[in-house]
Amino acid sequence: GQQVMQIPQYQHVQEGEDFTTYCNSSTTLSNIQWYKQRPGGHPVFLIQLVKSGEVKKQKRLTFQFGEAKKNSSLHITATQTTDVGTYFCAGPGGSQGNLIFGKGTKLSVKP
Amino acid sequence: DAGVTQSPTHLIKTRGQQVTLRCSPKSGHDTVSWYQQALGQGPQFIFQYYEEEERQRGNFPDRFSGHQFPNYSSELNVNALLLGDSALYLCASSVGTGTGPDQPQHFGDGTRLSIL
Repeated sequence: GQQVMQIPQYQHVQEGEDFTTYCNSSTTLSNIQWYKQRPGGHPVFLIQLVKSGEVKKQKRLTFQFGEAKKNSSLHITATQTTDVGTYFCAGPGGSQGNLIFGKGTKLSVKP
Repeated sequence: DAGVTQSPTHLIKTRGQQVTLRCSPKSGHDTVSWYQQALGQGPQFIFQYYEEEERQRGNFPDRFSGHQFPNYSSELNVNALLLGDSALYLCASSVGTGTGPDQPQHFGDGTRLSIL
């Protein structure tokens, strides 16, 4: 079945360093969504990418959708302690028509 | 503007019991999806309700069932609980035709279910 894979699983950075997480799908996606889940919290929608090669920015966060619409990345510039959490990508499933989430990248930031 | 609300927050059950979890969607949303999130994993889709009908279903056994009411609120029922059912159960609401995957999901805080 369709799979959405994320790497790395964990990332520990010093405050001020950059961070990138990568998402790969086994099939072409019509869109990809990114969510952030703080420790003990629930996933919060960050952004949706739809177009091939699309790049969107939210302050220090930059999201990219690959040309083949099978991969995506999230880059955070100059991390802050408020960036701590797990970042998930999610894409539409196949016949079931649901969202398939990756396992997430857990980011920890050392002050 | 209230977001997605879920109850209860925590629940402890024993194997073989049955449980009902409840969800009220965000104001203006008509589609409710349920997810199971095991520790250290991403949310896994259970099913989605729209217009009081189950529209989509993930790879979960029939022990998992649900319902949507006319006010768009929803319930998740799990029968014959197993130890492996211990997880965070998340409800998410969205707007639209109920197709789900193209709509951003607004999640509630979840119900932490522990099976002893």
